[in-house]
Amino acid sequence: EADIYQTPRYLVIGTGKKITLECSQTMGHDKMYWYQQDPGMELHLIHYSYGVNSTEKGDLSSESTVSRIRTEHFPLTLESARPSHTSQYLCASSGLGETQYFGPGTRLLVL
Amino acid sequence: QKEVEQNSGPLSVPEGAIASLNCTYSDRGSQSFFWYRQYSGKSPELIMSIYSNGDKEDGRFTAQLNKASQYVSLLIRDSQPSDSATYLCAVNRASKIIFGSGTRLSIRP
Repeated sequence: EADIYQTPRYLVIGTGKKITLECSQTMGHDKMYWYQQDPGMELHLIHYSYGVNSTEKGDLSSESTVSRIRTEHFPLTLESARPSHTSQYLCASSGLGETQYFGPGTRLLVL
Repeated sequence: QKEVEQNSGPLSVPEGAIASLNCTYSDRGSQSFFWYRQYSGKSPELIMSIYSNGDKEDGRFTAQLNKASQYVSLLIRDSQPSDSATYLCAVNRASKIIFGSGTRLSIRP
């Protein structure tokens, strides 16, 4: 059973606001990932990390940034939210194996 | 060509029948293969992983891998309405996992 948490689960916010989406896992996994997924569409990897102080951009260009100061924590920040950022954001982690375990997701609506 | 290809569906299967989901991949060096299920509005959850050629069974699910043909499939026996979801195939490429775009499966009563 995967223990990976995301907060908030739902967020409605105005254009121009700064937001941080939280992701935490209690499994001691080194690898963590952020995906963006629009309804009915495919997953897009936007950021990943293979350990503390290591972050990389994913396959889909994103205006968001991430940090990895602690193994268990991988927050994603949008400095200035825009309506085009409206989407579902999924966090995942993996350990020594490659199986990724997903959090419940954050649904973001930018007005 | 996408690295991981799946038919987007929808695939409609009568209840009680076998649902067959297919996936092809481009990287011959891939060694790890995964099937995830994603219900609408939810996050993906792992159904099975497979690493060796042949079949791997887990309950009503069977994953089949053919590395020579670069093909992986998922069979769902005795399909239930609760199996209606999008099924994502995922394949490793170097140190990353690449997800397919998913196949929508609909089980009709």
